[in-house]
Amino acid sequence: GAVVSQHPSWVICKSGTSVKIECRSLDFQATTMFWYRQFPKQSLMLMATSNEGSKATYEQGVEKDKFLINHASLTLSTLTVTSAHPEDSSFYICSARGRGLSGANVLTFGAGSRLTVL
Amino acid sequence: AQTVTQSQPEMSVQEAETVTLSCTYDTSESDYYLFWYKQPPSRQMILVIRQEAYKQQNATENRFSVNFQKAAKSFSLKISDSQLGDAAMYFCAYSTGTASKLTFGTGTRLQVTL
Repeated sequence: GAVVSQHPSWVICKSGTSVKIECRSLDFQATTMFWYRQFPKQSLMLMATSNEGSKATYEQGVEKDKFLINHASLTLSTLTVTSAHPEDSSFYICSARGRGLSGANVLTFGAGSRLTVL
Repeated sequence: AQTVTQSQPEMSVQEAETVTLSCTYDTSESDYYLFWYKQPPSRQMILVIRQEAYKQQNATENRFSVNFQKAAKSFSLKISDSQLGDAAMYFCAYSTGTASKLTFGTGTRLQVTL
């Protein structure tokens, strides 16, 4: 149980275009979604936290207008990279928090999305 | 702000041997959680082990165990009987909740040799 499906796993886009990454919780309700960014050979850095039905809370230094996060339902959260540039090329990972079958909070990671901006 | 430090960028261990990965952290909180995550080449984050700060007993999960020293703010991971499948990046992480946002260390790349 507690599976998060993240799509696409790999995307290449041209500079200036927008890219949407989706994370779906398949067998639980994700009340909170965390979005991380990981540069090559580096650690995961938290970008933002979103609660279902509320505006996302962004970490210091993360541009809200560039990285649009939507969490409109308990099973879907999206990250849109707007007007992408080569420096936005990175690995993006979502992590969902929700109630597992046992009733305890679970934290489950998606498989990540590799974004390459040409 | 909480910080997590992993001072070993790379470690190597022979198959069937034991290896210890180091992690230190800094926090002013008294109640928190510490984790070790494994990231294999697939990049999927896998929870290896979790430690609640209020518990004095060190957590153990099969071949994985931790040495949690709260006063020293140290949280090392011991992998016993290392297997080839243990080769991965290992991240130490801190959180104020069991399923909250995580602060990650910089990671240790573990190689397992024959």
